[in-house]
Amino acid sequence: DTGVSQNPRHKITKRGQNVTFRCDPISEHNRLYWYRQTLGQGPEFLTYFQNEAQLEKSRLLSDRFSAERPKGSFSTLEIQRTEQGDSAMYLCASSFSGGLTGELFFGEGSRLTVL
Amino acid sequence: AQSVTQLGSHVSVSEGALVLLRCNYSSSVPPYLFWYVQYPNQGLQLLLKYTTGATLVKGINGFEAEFKKSETSFHLTKPSAHMSDAAEYFCAVTLTYFGNEKLTFGTGTRLTIIP
Repeated sequence: DTGVSQNPRHKITKRGQNVTFRCDPISEHNRLYWYRQTLGQGPEFLTYFQNEAQLEKSRLLSDRFSAERPKGSFSTLEIQRTEQGDSAMYLCASSFSGGLTGELFFGEGSRLTVL
Repeated sequence: AQSVTQLGSHVSVSEGALVLLRCNYSSSVPPYLFWYVQYPNQGLQLLLKYTTGATLVKGINGFEAEFKKSETSFHLTKPSAHMSDAAEYFCAVTLTYFGNEKLTFGTGTRLTIIP
């Protein structure tokens, strides 16, 4: 299966620790998105890359959050000094910019629990 | 700014009955509209989308939705519910001038099927 892959699927950490999530998009997709989903809510946009360039960041992405896509392939989302409010599902999605089809392909998500 | 409102966070229908999930959008320019489905512990999967052209769009698993500009609605329907339809459904919107697929999601509707 060559869908969007996210690791780890689950992460439990203590408040104040740093965590990093990885996303491997569909290989021919040049756009990559990070979303956050909390219980009872829809996914909320965090940030977006086209190739290696980070083109947009949401106000939700505080200074403790950083995302990279160094070679335009996989991406990492790091959260420093985690807080309980960071507990959520972090979703990665990818798409191809060849045409505005509007379709995002989502991974299964990385669930973060901050104790 | 664009937004979507999903009426009813929980909907229960009997197996074989009509499924109707409501979505209203707000957009100052022609939107692209989507319905995604999320099964437990899985990522989001595209059910159907409206971009341009025919206002009645058909998707996977027998679902369809109609874009009604005058009512700013994009309700999701299925004539006969199946047990496997139990999931969470998200309506989403993006604006054509973004030039990318940044989606704004509604808060979701959890669909329960009664045997």
